[in-house]
Amino acid sequence: AQSVTQLDSQVPVFEEAPVELRCNYSSSVSVYLFWYVQYPNQGLQLLLKYLSGSTLVKGINGFEAEFNKSQTSFHLRKPSVHISDTAEYFCAVSDPGSARQLTFGSGTQLTVLP
Amino acid sequence: NAGVTQTPKFQVLKTGQSMTLQCAQDMNHEYMSWYRQDPGMGLRLIHYSVGAGITDQGEVPNGYNVSRSTTEDFPLRLLSAAPSQTSVYFCASRTGTGGADTQYFGPGTRLTVL
Repeated sequence: AQSVTQLDSQVPVFEEAPVELRCNYSSSVSVYLFWYVQYPNQGLQLLLKYLSGSTLVKGINGFEAEFNKSQTSFHLRKPSVHISDTAEYFCAVSDPGSARQLTFGSGTQLTVLP
Repeated sequence: NAGVTQTPKFQVLKTGQSMTLQCAQDMNHEYMSWYRQDPGMGLRLIHYSVGAGITDQGEVPNGYNVSRSTTEDFPLRLLSAAPSQTSVYFCASRTGTGGADTQYFGPGTRLTVL
């Protein structure tokens, strides 16, 4: 079974500073990778996804992620965060050959401080 | 286009009571699913459906039932609520059964079992 590890449960960062949220997955086969964001008291929405091709994926709100197959990682980055980026971020993986849904990591709470 | 809707938003039950969480989508998506979200554990799949009349178990199905009589609706039933079922429940849908499609989440139902 696939698993996803988000190494940091909480990441505080000052406004306009860069941030990296780490994600590692365990799979020896091809996978699809996703980052979702959950704002307070809301459902999840897609930030970006990697299916194939270029390993650098750009998403909404200035976020990007880099797929690294050798390190089985898919870290999320933003060069300059805003207060409005405060939210919980989830990394997820799916198996292209399976009808089952996503396997999520435990989440990283990003708090942007003024 | 309302997307994925869930009712109720909040619910308090006593141990042993039953209830149904409602989920509907108006995007004509074949694939629907239910997740529960617990602190530090991310989202865990309860049940999913690949189309009307077809359902299957996810990672944590015990204590929950589902049915899919129409493409639009996918209710989740708790037959005899237990305190361990206190959680936030999310319904999601996506276009196809492959792993590449974006999932769309509802706003969630916050359930407390006393």
